[in-house]
Amino acid sequence: EAGVTQFPSHSVIEKGQTVTLRCDPISGHDNLYWYRRVMGKEIKFLLHFVKESKQDESGMPNNRFLAERTGGTYSTLKVQPAELEDSGVYFCASSRIGQGKTFGSGTRLTVV
Amino acid sequence: GENVEQHPSTLSVQEGDSAVIKCTYSDSASNYFPWYKQELGKRPQLIIDIRSNVGEKKDQRIAVTLNKTAKHFSLHITETQPEDSAVYFCAASRSGATNKLIFGTGTLLAVQP
Repeated sequence: EAGVTQFPSHSVIEKGQTVTLRCDPISGHDNLYWYRRVMGKEIKFLLHFVKESKQDESGMPNNRFLAERTGGTYSTLKVQPAELEDSGVYFCASSRIGQGKTFGSGTRLTVV
Repeated sequence: GENVEQHPSTLSVQEGDSAVIKCTYSDSASNYFPWYKQELGKRPQLIIDIRSNVGEKKDQRIAVTLNKTAKHFSLHITETQPEDSAVYFCAASRSGATNKLIFGTGTLLAVQP
């Protein structure tokens, strides 16, 4: 099966601009997660979708971050406006109910 | 809050030696503990996981042990090979594999040929 796909792989934007990251989960995986790794620290949870519904968004840092999963397929994570501290690697993962998560290769976001 | 500590942050071993990475978790409700391997520029990949109803699980050269009383779990790699070189992350989760993962800070393992 195809893996979890993330676009773009890299993005460099200026502070104050908007960036949208996309994640295509494995087909049939109802669970979709967003995580972020900042400056070599731990990978931190952002939020969890079950199909199109937000199951847990306790990790979203602030209201500059907006995640959507229209139709329960792919998901987007928009950062608007971006700040310097938003730089990091954003990972998406997906899973079937009760099974382990498969991660994508991540999007490396650099805010300058 | 929920927290997972991971040690060491870097580990260098000679090819053929064993490597051990240790993690401690704070949330006593955690019951699922996966380990991920991330090679440079690639995605984190699940290599082994353990649930709280067992104390040890082995898969070829990789084993994981869990001590629920002490809230410790460890990854053991035997007969290390250069291709084992990567960053390894431990994680903990409540209520099985579906819930969010709380990750450790990662261990950079370097296997010297």
